[in-house]
Amino acid sequence: EDKVVQSPLSLVVHEGDTVTLNCSYEVTNFRSLLWYKQEKKAPTFLFMLTSSGIEKKSGRLSSILDKKELSSILNITATQTGDSAIYLCAVAGSARQLTFGSGTQLTVLP
Amino acid sequence: GAVVSQHPSWVICKSGTSVKIECRSLDFQATTMFWYRQFPKQSLMLMATSNEGSKATYEQGVEKDKFLINHASLTLSTLTVTSAHPEDSSFYICSARTSESSTKNIQYFGAGTRLSVL
Repeated sequence: EDKVVQSPLSLVVHEGDTVTLNCSYEVTNFRSLLWYKQEKKAPTFLFMLTSSGIEKKSGRLSSILDKKELSSILNITATQTGDSAIYLCAVAGSARQLTFGSGTQLTVLP
Repeated sequence: GAVVSQHPSWVICKSGTSVKIECRSLDFQATTMFWYRQFPKQSLMLMATSNEGSKATYEQGVEKDKFLINHASLTLSTLTVTSAHPEDSSFYICSARTSESSTKNIQYFGAGTRLSVL
């Protein structure tokens, strides 16, 4: 059974801080790892990672995959209150479905 | 980007009634749609995979007679919660893959439906 574990479960920081969110996985026939941001409703797609060591970047957010360690990190620099959300990590395996982690609840205080 | 519309966003119903939730891909055709359930402060749990023109594939522990899924066209999948009970109260979210994103396993999500069964 595929498994995705995220840490920490929750995180409270102040605006301007940098945060690192972790995701580790066990999956049969790994295809890709995806990060989503969920505010009040639907998760919105952030990144998809398939290759180790190649950083994906979008503004203040960046992510990298380590296939040897079966993990990924999501970095957010200079956090803003609008970054407050649940960040979900998901992995696609041989079944081509997504298995989600429990998410990291990020709260950015002004 | 790909847009997925889900309706209704919130529904309250009496115990024993049935509720239908619609999921539409607005600007693309989706051969595969997914239905998830999310409890408060928990992650998304896949309920079933809906394939256009064929029967849905349900995850272990999900009652197919309780949660009826129909994917009659390339842009519409419906989830009907039959004879709803209070324990069915939850947040239901659908997602879809585009033909391009299917190779990348990227799913685009609807806004979700909050179901409250009294």
